[in-house]
Amino acid sequence: SQQGEEDPQALSIQEGENATMNCSYKTSINNLQWYRQNSGRGLVHLILIRSNEREKHSGRLRVTLDTSKKSSSLLITASRAADTASYFCATDPRSNYKLTFGIGTLLTVNP
Amino acid sequence: SQTIHQWPATLVQPVGSPLSLECTVEGTSNPNLYWYRQAAGRGLQLLFYSVGIGQISSEVPQNLSASRPQDRQFILSSKKLLLSDSGFYLCAWRRQQNTEAFFGQGTRLTVV
Repeated sequence: SQQGEEDPQALSIQEGENATMNCSYKTSINNLQWYRQNSGRGLVHLILIRSNEREKHSGRLRVTLDTSKKSSSLLITASRAADTASYFCATDPRSNYKLTFGIGTLLTVNP
Repeated sequence: SQTIHQWPATLVQPVGSPLSLECTVEGTSNPNLYWYRQAAGRGLQLLFYSVGIGQISSEVPQNLSASRPQDRQFILSSKKLLLSDSGFYLCAWRRQQNTEAFFGQGTRLTVV
């Protein structure tokens, strides 16, 4: 079963706006990761946040992690049309080597 | 630097035919290797993962199998394809647990 559940499944915004995507999970984790996928391509890693971290930044990306609520959010600030893609969270559990992905959020940024 | 190669990029196969998808990683040793399948517009389903040569963990009972004959080679196979095996297959590697994964470009499989 999929561990990560992204919300919303689809998000459409205007260029310049911020986009927020959420992820919930069920098990204890070492870390949570966010990936991006352009249509028909492989996934590209964006950011990894460890279980003892609460917030992490990378460029226009901001990720938060709340292990008590088993949830994470990805914020993309000042979005661009080139940010249009699907975004996935992945959980890296403590107990095994699986890396399990959610169903993703399809982000469309309109110029 | 490390690279991952996955081929072919697209494949059209008749029902009942065999399948072999290959994934190789260069520039690293003893990687953790993964096979995922993605249905159209859906998330990634973990099929198999391997933490060493000959060590395969299967996640979903199905018509597929995986093998790791060499340290940096991961093969996804089927003896007889079903229509339901159609999808986008992705191979990935990472150095170890608690690190990021790197993905191949995927194979679009259509079973007809």
